[in-house]
Amino acid sequence: AQTVTQSQPEMSVQEAETVTLSCTYDTSESDYYLFWYKQPPSRQMILVIRQEAYKQQNATENRFSVNFQKAAKSFSLKISDSQLGDAAMYFCAYSGGATNKLIFGTGTLLAVQP
Amino acid sequence: DAGVTQSPTHLIKTRGQQVTLRCSPKSGHDTVSWYQQALGQGPQFIFQYYEEEERQRGNFPDRFSGHQFPNYSSELNVNALLLGDSALYLCASSLSAMLGGYNSPLHFGNGTRLTVT
Repeated sequence: AQTVTQSQPEMSVQEAETVTLSCTYDTSESDYYLFWYKQPPSRQMILVIRQEAYKQQNATENRFSVNFQKAAKSFSLKISDSQLGDAAMYFCAYSGGATNKLIFGTGTLLAVQP
Repeated sequence: DAGVTQSPTHLIKTRGQQVTLRCSPKSGHDTVSWYQQALGQGPQFIFQYYEEEERQRGNFPDRFSGHQFPNYSSELNVNALLLGDSALYLCASSLSAMLGGYNSPLHFGNGTRLTVT
C-alpha cells in the first residue's frame, strides 16, 4: 500500500526568508503524481504544486518549488520569500496510475513570523 | 466560474442519527470525490462518483453511502452516526479521463464540519 509521511508537525519561518517542508512516500508503482496542498483556516484545500513522477525536472510555481528525489522517494517543498499569507497547513499527497485518488500525509503547520 | 460548493458549512447531529451532505462540482467537472478529515489529520478518501456510479471506494464502512445526480452534483450519506464520525467532510471535483482529464487535479470545496454528540 502507498503511504505518505510528513515528519514535521510544525515549522516556523521569518517573513521574506526561505523554508523547506519535508515529505517522503512509499510506493511500488512506476506511474504516479505528487502534490503539495495548502489548507488555510478557510478549510479549502488549495493545490500549490504538482509533480509527475516520469519528469526529472523539478516543478516550480512562482515562489514555490519542489525537490523531487525519486530514488529516495522524497518530495520536499521550498517556499522562497515567505509571506504572511503563506501561513497554513501544508499537506503532501500522492496519486498513482490512472486514478486521481489522493493519499495524504498528516500535514505540516507553517507559521510565518513578521 | 463557480468553484466547488458544499452545504451545509456546519452540522451538529446526535449519535445514531443520519446525515446528508451536499456538493456541487466546479463548472465543467463530471467527477466527484469525498474525503473525511479528522481533527489534526490529513484527509482520507471515502469514495468517488462518476457517471452516477461509485467508481472507487476507500476503507469506510457501508454506513457511508453516496449518490451522484445527472447534473454531476453529489450527496454523501452517513447512517447510524458514531462519535468518531465527527470530522470535516471535503468534496472535490475533477475532469474525467473521458473529457480529457487524465489524472486531472482535484478542486476542493470548503468542507462541511460535522459534529456528532
